[in-house]
Amino acid sequence: SQQGEEDPQALSIQEGENATMNCSYKTSINNLQWYRQNSGRGLVHLILIRSNEREKHSGRLRVTLDTSKKSSSLLITASRAADTASYFCATYDYKLSFGAGTTVTVRA
Amino acid sequence: EAQVTQNPRYLITVTGKKLTVTCSQNMNHEYMSWYRQDPGLGLRQIYYSMNVEVTDKGDVPEGYKVSRKEKRNFPLILESPSPNQTSLYFCASSLSSGIGNQPQHFGDGTRLSIL
Repeated sequence: SQQGEEDPQALSIQEGENATMNCSYKTSINNLQWYRQNSGRGLVHLILIRSNEREKHSGRLRVTLDTSKKSSSLLITASRAADTASYFCATYDYKLSFGAGTTVTVRA
Repeated sequence: EAQVTQNPRYLITVTGKKLTVTCSQNMNHEYMSWYRQDPGLGLRQIYYSMNVEVTDKGDVPEGYKVSRKEKRNFPLILESPSPNQTSLYFCASSLSSGIGNQPQHFGDGTRLSIL
């Protein structure tokens, strides 16, 4: 079943701009993960945030988690053409469930 | 190099002709799983395996079989494929069955077309 839902479905930005996407989920979770998928490739793990954490950084990525609102956001700062990909959140309660993803296009 | 390897990457076949998609990982991971990815539906889990000889159904197991005789291999078997199994398939693995706390490592996918 699809637990997380990403918003927006698609996002187009200029190189150098920031990209923000959101993930909402329905039930309580232990943690939440974000993945990236480049066209024609498998998913690559980006970051994991635990339910007792509010914010986490990894390079140009910033993830927030608000368990009271059952939502998370992924911010990519100073985007590059190489960031063009689909981004998925995955929530874990007793199993890992993926959303349908946000497709990000970074224009040069 | 640590990786999950799927074969074949692409396959076009006909309804009813049995096929196997292989998956192998070289990271000594205990947990392995299969997903299918369809437009607008995200990834849906087909089957998973906590360890050798331990497999269980995911969200969409109908029409699929798996086996886990060795730790590194987790083949996906379609005994009698049908057109609604046309999809992009991914194998994934993680270190242990505590998958929520660990990143999943994905293969590059197998695109199946069933005519």
